[in-house]
Amino acid sequence: AQRVTQPEKLLSVFKGAPVELKCNYSYSGSPELFWYVQYSRQRLQLLLRHISRESIKGFTADLNKGETSFHLKKPFAQEEDSAMYYCALSAYGGYQKVTFGTGTKLQVIP
Amino acid sequence: EAGVAQSPRYKIIEKRQSVAFWCNPISGHATLYWYQQILGQGPKLLIQFQNNGVVDDSQLPKDRFSAERLKGVDSTLKIQPAKLEDSAVYLCASSLSPQDSYEQYFGPGTRLTVT
Repeated sequence: AQRVTQPEKLLSVFKGAPVELKCNYSYSGSPELFWYVQYSRQRLQLLLRHISRESIKGFTADLNKGETSFHLKKPFAQEEDSAMYYCALSAYGGYQKVTFGTGTKLQVIP
Repeated sequence: EAGVAQSPRYKIIEKRQSVAFWCNPISGHATLYWYQQILGQGPKLLIQFQNNGVVDDSQLPKDRFSAERLKGVDSTLKIQPAKLEDSAVYLCASSLSPQDSYEQYFGPGTRLTVT
C-alpha cells in the first residue's frame, strides 16, 4: 500500500524566511513524487515533480529514498506563496495510481 | 485550452436524497478521475476511467455511489441515497493518459452539503 504523510496542517512563516514543507511516504517500490498547490479560489495544480529536478517559483524538492521523504523548500518566502500544498505519490501497480497527502496550509506573514 | 468543467458548483440536499455531478474533461484527455475531498483531508480517489473503462474503483462506496463515462468523454458521478458523511468537495480531474497521471488537471469542484 502507498501512503503519504504531511505532519503539519499549518505552517506560518514570516516573509523572507525559509520554508520547508515536510512530506514522508511509504511505498516498497520506486515511486514518483510531486507537489500540488492550491491558491485561494483557484484549482489544484501541479507545482513540481521530483523527476524534473527543476525549481518552480523558487521551490525545490529532493527525493530522499533513505528517509522516504520529499520535503518542499524555498529559501525566502513570499506572500504569494500562501496556499495549500499537497504532496502526492504515483506508483505503478497494474496502472499508475496517485495518492495525495492531507495537505499543509502555508501562511506567509507580511 | 479550456480547462476541466464541473457542474453544479454547489449543492445542498437532505440525507437520503440523490444527487448527480457532471464533469467534462480537457479535450483529448483519455483518463478521468473523480476525487472526494472531505474538509481537512487530501483528495481521495473514488474512481479512475481510461476512456470509457474503469481502471480503479476500489474506494468507491458502490452501495450508494455510481459513475459512468459512456462515450469516453464527459462523466457523471451519482450518490443515492446520500448520507451526512458524504458532505465534501467532489473534484474531477483529467490527464492525457494513465502514464501522465502525475500531471492531472483539476476542475473547480462541486461542494456538496448533506443536511
